[in-house]
Amino acid sequence: QLQLVQSGGEVKEPGASVKVSCKASGFIFSNFAFSWVRQAPGHGLEWVGWVSAVNGQTDYAQKFRDRVMMTTDTSTTTAYMVLKSLRSDDTAVYYCARNGLTNGVDVWGQGSTVTVSS
Amino acid sequence: QSVLTQPPSVSGAPGQRVTISCNGSNSNIGAGYDVHWYQHLPRAAPKVLIYSDTNRPSEVPDRFSGSKSGSSATLAITGLQATDEADYYCQSYDRSLSDWVFGGGTKLTVL
Repeated sequence: QLQLVQSGGEVKEPGASVKVSCKASGFIFSNFAFSWVRQAPGHGLEWVGWVSAVNGQTDYAQKFRDRVMMTTDTSTTTAYMVLKSLRSDDTAVYYCARNGLTNGVDVWGQGSTVTVSS
Repeated sequence: QSVLTQPPSVSGAPGQRVTISCNGSNSNIGAGYDVHWYQHLPRAAPKVLIYSDTNRPSEVPDRFSGSKSGSSATLAITGLQATDEADYYCQSYDRSLSDWVFGGGTKLTVL
């Protein structure tokens, strides 16, 4: 079945970087782009950006443009997100999702908790 | 402050009908961009409930429906059930920001 399985939770200090992975199965990975969406405690969903497994194109939300990098590895059907210069307000659950809709997502991963704390 | 505005909460008794509004502008919903609705149950990943304004995935019950008019979209839920208690989010694209945007989310309580 369609599935996105994400890496486990991470605890990082302020100023560090975090890398989250998202392994896809059950569909042709290289036909899609993948988004990253986060939810901070007590807040709603926030789009971080997307990366295309077709051609490597990326589109990042303005807020994250100078701190985020998204990539894909078609050989392992895995999407990655790196967020740099972490701050305490980056503490959130980060979801990967498949861009199966027009400007939207149709399959979600289970989420990865990133905690930023000294 | 979200670009798409939703009521923070709505409630209804079992069996009743509720609606959740999503108000945007001429740079997103009013510009004709698709609106999607997601249901986020506690301790679970979000799932798509309505896509491209009015379409429902096959696994979603027909108690859920979506509509769009002008710069606003609406999610309607009929025959409320306790299992519908969740957070609901609308989502679209904003051409001024060149970003995907979410509403702030609406918490549905079944009384």
